[in-house]
Amino acid sequence: AQTVTQSQPEMSVQEAETVTLSCTYDTSENNYYLFWYKQPPSRQMILVIRQEAYKQQNATENRFSVNFQKAAKSFSLKISDSQLGDTAMYFCAFKAYSGAGSYQLTFGKGTKLSVIP
Amino acid sequence: EPEVTQTPSHQVTQMGQEVILRCVPISNHLYFYWYRQILGQKVEFLVSFYNNEISEKSEIFDDQFSVERPDGSNFTLKIRSTKLEDSAMYFCASSPRRGDSEQYFGPGTRLTVT
Repeated sequence: AQTVTQSQPEMSVQEAETVTLSCTYDTSENNYYLFWYKQPPSRQMILVIRQEAYKQQNATENRFSVNFQKAAKSFSLKISDSQLGDTAMYFCAFKAYSGAGSYQLTFGKGTKLSVIP
Repeated sequence: EPEVTQTPSHQVTQMGQEVILRCVPISNHLYFYWYRQILGQKVEFLVSFYNNEISEKSEIFDDQFSVERPDGSNFTLKIRSTKLEDSAMYFCASSPRRGDSEQYFGPGTRLTVT
C-alpha cells in the first residue's frame, strides 16, 4: 500500500515571493505518477502539475515546478511569484502505473497555503 | 471548459436512511471515481467504474455502498443505511481514457448524517 505525507498543515507566503510545499511518499512500485492538486476555497480540485516517475527531468508548468527526488521519495512543489489566486489547499497525490490494475489516487492530508498581499 | 458537476452540494440525512449522491462526469470520459474526505482527514479512494462495472474498490466501499450509471450521463453513489461516520465530503471524478490520465474532480457533496 502507498502512503503520502504532507508535513506542513498550513503555510503562508507574501505575494510575489516563492514558497515550497513538501511531500513525501512511500511505495514499493517502480512505475508511478505523482500529482499536485489545488483546491481553492469552495471550488473543485484542479490539477496543478504531474510527474512521471520514469522521467528524470522535473516537471514545470509556468510558475509551478517540482523537485522530484525518486531515491528519497520526495516530491516538493515550488510556487514562484506567488499570487493571491494561489491561496488554496494543495494536495499531493500518488498513482501507481495502471498496468498494475490500479486506478486510484492516494492523497496526502493537504497543505493550506495563504498568499498575503 | 467542461466540468464535473455534483448534486446536491449539501445533503443532511438521518442515520439509517438511504442517500443517493449524483454526479455528471465530463461527457466523453470513460472512467469514473468516487472519493471521500472526512473532516480533517485525507481524501480517500472509494471506487472506480469503467464499462458499467466496478474496476477497483477500497475496503471502505462495503456492502452499504453501490454505484450506478443509470442513463449514460449520471454516475451515482448510493449509501443504503447511513451511519454517523459516513459524514464526509464526497468527490466524484472522471478521466477520459485509461487510468494514467488526469482525473477531473467535481466540487463535492457534503453529507451530514445526524
